[in-house]
Formats: sequence, structure tokens, C-alpha cells
Amino acid sequence: EVQLVESGGGLVQPGGSLRLSCAASGFTFGNYWMTWVRQAPGKGLEWVANIKQDGSDKYYVDSVMGRFTISRDNAKNSLYLQMNSLRAEDTAIYYCARDRWVPGAVAGSPYWYYYGMDVWGQGTTVTVSS
Amino acid sequence: SYELTQPPSVSVSPGQTARITCSGDALPKHYAYWYQQKPGQAPVLMISKDSERPSGIPERFSGSTSGTTVTLTISGVQAEDEADYYCQSADSSGSYRVFGGGTKLTVL
Repeated sequence: EVQLVESGGGLVQPGGSLRLSCAASGFTFGNYWMTWVRQAPGKGLEWVANIKQDGSDKYYVDSVMGRFTISRDNAKNSLYLQMNSLRAEDTAIYYCARDRWVPGAVAGSPYWYYYGMDVWGQGTTVTVSS
Repeated sequence: SYELTQPPSVSVSPGQTARITCSGDALPKHYAYWYQQKPGQAPVLMISKDSERPSGIPERFSGSTSGTTVTLTISGVQAEDEADYYCQSADSSGSYRVFGGGTKLTVL
């Protein structure tokens, strides 16, 4: 069964740090881009960051740039999110998700199409409060 | 920063057709994706690349695009379709993902 399980959430004071983990199983983890998405209480989804299969490319939403670091360990089938200088507005459920890409062709040449976030974990809750 | 705009809510009676729109300047250049989220659950990918249905998604869900607006259509709405729906795409560079604000679908 394809599965993602997040852990590491909890209560932390403003300015503190937390490291989230996401354990993957049931698929070849190293073949996929991975993503973190968060959802503040009663609010919508917010894309946070994503990372390429080998960790060589990483992208972040502006609001976490310089404070959060996404990383992965393909040998351990694990995705991480190191969160520093936490603020009250970082309070949210944090989901990890698998980015799926599918092969296609453009003008006869091979091309990979982004297919969406096709597998999600159940989330881990981060609360930033004094 | 780039934004995708959705209506906050849509209401429809069972068996009717629900249409949820999502607008964004970069949508003509980048595909849109739709996710369904029920209370207390993780999102589920419902539509990929503007109009493709992933395996296991009922045929009553469809997607379309016209200019800077994409639309999720649910034909013959059922009570179980009551949920929040989010569109997602990329900014003009294609590297950064973005979600719309979400639309709460109420089945009357």
C-alpha cells in the first residue's frame, strides 16, 4: 500500500524550531518529487516547499524562505522539513504529498508533465504559541 | 505573489450540476489541478492537467479551461460530494505551486 506518514508536530514557542518527518512506503521514494503543504486552522491549503528526487532542486513559498529547509534521505525513504524562527502564523496542519510526473511528448520529443499531488499523508499538527 | 481566485461557496441540490471556477493570469500557460477535501481528511486529487481524471475518480467529475479560468464541473451531484474544493497550479515561472482559496460545496 502506498503510504505517507508524517510525524514531529507539536507545541513550540515563537522563535523556536521543529523538525517534521514524512515516512514513505509502498513506492520507490527516490523516483518522486516531494512536497509539503500546510493548512492553518479553518483556512485553505498553502503550498510550502518541494524538492527534486535527488535533492538538488528545492523551492519555497516566500513566507518561509530562509526559515524552513526541506530535505530528504532516499536511503531512509524519508522527507523532512526543518522549521526555524517559528511564528504564530506557522500554526497549521502540515501534510507531505507525493508529486507525480507522467511521460509524454511535445513536438515528437519526450516531455514530462506534472500530474499533481497524488498521494497525501494524514498530516501532523504544529502549534506555535507561548 | 501569484493568486488563484475561487468563489468561497457554491450550493446545489442533489442531482443538479455544480460548477466551481478558478481564475488566474498564468492559467493559459500552466495546467490546473483540482483537489477535494472533506472535514478531517487529507486532500484527494480529483482532476489533473485541466481535465484528466485520475484512476478511481467518478466520471461525474470533469474539468475544463477557457482563457484565464478553469472550471470543475460535478454532474449529478451527490450528498457525498459535499466538501471543500481547491484548484492548484503554478506561477509564471512554473517552479512554484499555488492553491486557490478553496470553495465550499454545499449539497442542499
